[in-house]
Amino acid sequence: AQKITQTQPGMFVQEKEAVTLDCTYDTSDQSYGLFWYKQPSSGEMIFLIYQGSYDEQNATEGRYSLNFQKARKSANLVISASQLGDSAMYFCAMREGLGNNDMRFGAGTRLTVKP
Amino acid sequence: DTGVSQDPRHKITKRGQNVTFRCDPISEHNRLYWYRQTLGQGPEFLTYFQNEAQLEKSRLLSDRFSAERPKGSFSTLEIQRTEQGDSAMYLCASSLNLAANTIYFGEGSWLTVV
Repeated sequence: AQKITQTQPGMFVQEKEAVTLDCTYDTSDQSYGLFWYKQPSSGEMIFLIYQGSYDEQNATEGRYSLNFQKARKSANLVISASQLGDSAMYFCAMREGLGNNDMRFGAGTRLTVKP
Repeated sequence: DTGVSQDPRHKITKRGQNVTFRCDPISEHNRLYWYRQTLGQGPEFLTYFQNEAQLEKSRLLSDRFSAERPKGSFSTLEIQRTEQGDSAMYLCASSLNLAANTIYFGEGSWLTVV
């Protein structure tokens, strides 16, 4: 069964606008972590933001925020004030439990920021 | 550069040849991970090390694959008798410890088997 689902293969956003990238997950564990990574064409996976399952507040890191809706099992990434350099692949990932290092990734969303 | 370093960045090899990739993690990171990423997919977990001990291996890691981290610092991933299906990007990542919420990735090693 797919653990992480990203339903948007591609997204376009106008420069300086906000964009939401969707991510839903499937787990029966009570303890888990959710991650978002950015992968530019160079290939490097760049860590953006983390949300723990027990965190009551949505995570924020600069222009990135994670809209965590635990009951719906969704962890959408919101990028505010998009910049041309935000154009890249974005991956949502989950690590279940404590000590389980099998971090599962979604298929990714390609974001294109238009000038 | 204090990030995760991988070498070589690109490798083209003939089917049946052996290839080896090297990963230098961030200094003092005791956890090291290997992932494989094919085109259009997210990374898939292969294996990880806690210091020099290889603690977990994915079913994706066939017996043609072997990974080592002899001194708990750098790691190597060797693929023997390469097949065209091995063509992918091999990503290395490291984290400080089990509780670390941030896993840092390298730029990856692209493998093309012809």
